[in-house]
Parts: sequence; structure tokens; C-alpha cells
Amino acid sequence: GENVEQHPSTLSVQEGDSAVIKCTYSDSASNYFPWYKQELGKRPQLIIDIRSNVGEKKDQRIAVTLNKTAKHFSLHITETQPEDSAVYFCAASSSSNTGKLIFGQGTTLQVKP
Amino acid sequence: DAGVTQSPTHLIKTRGQQVTLRCSPKSGHDTVSWYQQALGQGPQFIFQYYEEEERQRGNFPDRFSGHQFPNYSSELNVNALLLGDSALYLCASSSVLSETQYFGPGTRLLVL
Repeated sequence: GENVEQHPSTLSVQEGDSAVIKCTYSDSASNYFPWYKQELGKRPQLIIDIRSNVGEKKDQRIAVTLNKTAKHFSLHITETQPEDSAVYFCAASSSSNTGKLIFGQGTTLQVKP
Repeated sequence: DAGVTQSPTHLIKTRGQQVTLRCSPKSGHDTVSWYQQALGQGPQFIFQYYEEEERQRGNFPDRFSGHQFPNYSSELNVNALLLGDSALYLCASSSVLSETQYFGPGTRLLVL
């Protein structure tokens, strides 16, 4: 069935370092891959998304890469700041199930000042 | 421009009771999806409503039902509550023209 695996579950970096979170999906029909940031007690906020016709997308310090052959995608955060500390979720959906986001288990990112 | 809103913010119920949660989508959006987020887990898709009909459903029992109104707002109903239904219930709105979903602040449900 549909499944998204996310690694690592926790990640601790020093301020200014880069952070990378990886996700693997099982449904080869998946074509939309958003990333959400969730701070404690708050709603998930969309930070970046990518569609299957694109291999990479950047937005300032955040970038996402997609490898459709290997069925995995990654979030890259450069020059991390303490305010980047949060739980990050990857998700995937397919055109046959538009709107049904399958989420990974989440990665708790801690940026140490 | 109002974002996605949900009510109530918190709710405490006992086993066997019924609960109704409400969601108003972002302005310009016509589609509402509901998710259940257990503590320490990623959100799990319950169902999606578009044009007042359930368009898709995840692996949740029939105790979970919903409704969408002509103004695109939506309700999630859960009958015969179980302890395991304790979770954060999130709604997300989107436009049928786009996959991008924006989440509301959630309703935290505690079943005792």
C-alpha cells in the first residue's frame, strides 16, 4: 500500500550548519511532494513543495530534490538558525488520489545556538 | 484574507459519546480534507470533501463521518468515541485546481 518513510527521526545540528531530511515513497504514481514544518502546539505549515516534473526546487535557505527513479526526495536547509527548530514532515500524493496526502513519521530538528 | 479556521480548539469527551468538529476553509478554497494526528506521529488522512460530497476516504471506520456545506465549510463527526480517538484533528483546505493544502490550527480531542 501507500507508504512514506522518513529519516532520521531526530536531527541535531549547530547553528549555521546544514540539515538534510530524507523520505522514500512506495507509490510509483506519486507526483506531488510537499514539506511541512510544525512547531510545538501549532499547525503544520507548508514550507516548500515539488512536483514530479521537476528535479529540484529552491526557496532561499530551503531546497528540495526529487529522484523519481529511486522514489525518494530530500529537504535541505542551509545556514540553519535556532528558529528552524521544529518537527518536519514530508508527504506524497498521486494524481489518482489527489488531496490524499500520505505523511512520513516526522523529523525533530534541533538547531543549537 | 482569513486562513483556515477550526473550532473548538480543545474538547474533552468520555468513551461512547459523539463529537462534531468544524472547519472553515481559506478564502477562495473549495475543498476540505480532514486528518488525525496522534501524539508524535504524522497526520493520517481521514477523508476529503468537494462539492458537498466525500471524494476520498482513508482507512478510518464508519464511526468517522463528515459533511460539507454550500459555503465550503465542513464538519467531522465521530460516533461512539474510543480512548484511541484522542488526537489532534486537523483540517486542510485547498482548491480543486491545486494540490497545495493549508492546515488549520486543529482541534485537540481528549477521550476519557
